[in-house]
Amino acid sequence: DAGVIQSPRHEVTEMGQEVTLRCKPISGHDYLFWYRQTMMRGLELLIYFNNNVPIDDSGMPEDRFSAKMPNASFSTLKIQPSEPRDSAVYFCASSLLSTSGALGFGPGTRLTVL
Amino acid sequence: KQEVTQIPAALSVPEGENLVLNCSFTDSAIYNLQWFRQDPGKGLTSLLLIQSSQREQTSGRLNASLDKSSGRSTLYIAASQPGDSATYLCAVRDDYKLSFGAGTTVTVRA
Repeated sequence: DAGVIQSPRHEVTEMGQEVTLRCKPISGHDYLFWYRQTMMRGLELLIYFNNNVPIDDSGMPEDRFSAKMPNASFSTLKIQPSEPRDSAVYFCASSLLSTSGALGFGPGTRLTVL
Repeated sequence: KQEVTQIPAALSVPEGENLVLNCSFTDSAIYNLQWFRQDPGKGLTSLLLIQSSQREQTSGRLNASLDKSSGRSTLYIAASQPGDSATYLCAVRDDYKLSFGAGTTVTVRA
């Protein structure tokens, strides 16, 4: 079975530009999570979806961040405008069951904002 | 808010020694606990998942225990190998999200 797929794997952009990160969860999984990892703060949950509906976006740092899940097989995380402090690795994860299933993580997108 | 702590932050052992990694959490009302491995510059690989009703899980040389009442989990890696060098993260699931510890970085010396 294919795991969680993320694209791009690396993104380098300039401050002020729009960045869009993409995720394809494992087929059949009904929960999707976006995490951000930095050396200073470790892994932080940004937002998660259940059956394509955003459930908790309290981890989204600012209004510059937005996430969508138009269907069960695709999600995006957008940053507009991007800032250097947004530089991090962004992970997408999905799970099959609501609270008992294991989370599978994608390989991450390494974002560098110059 | 759930707080997850991993001690020690780093560990260096000679090859063949058993590894003991600790994880503690503040709110015992969890659904499950998951151990992950992360290699430098890579994603997270799930190692073991322990449901809240379970006391331990085993996979090969790995064994994880869970004491929910005391808010603790321990990951044991038997007969460590240089290939076990990585960062190990524990994560607890309460409600629907995972809260992560900062990880323990393990170096196994040949």
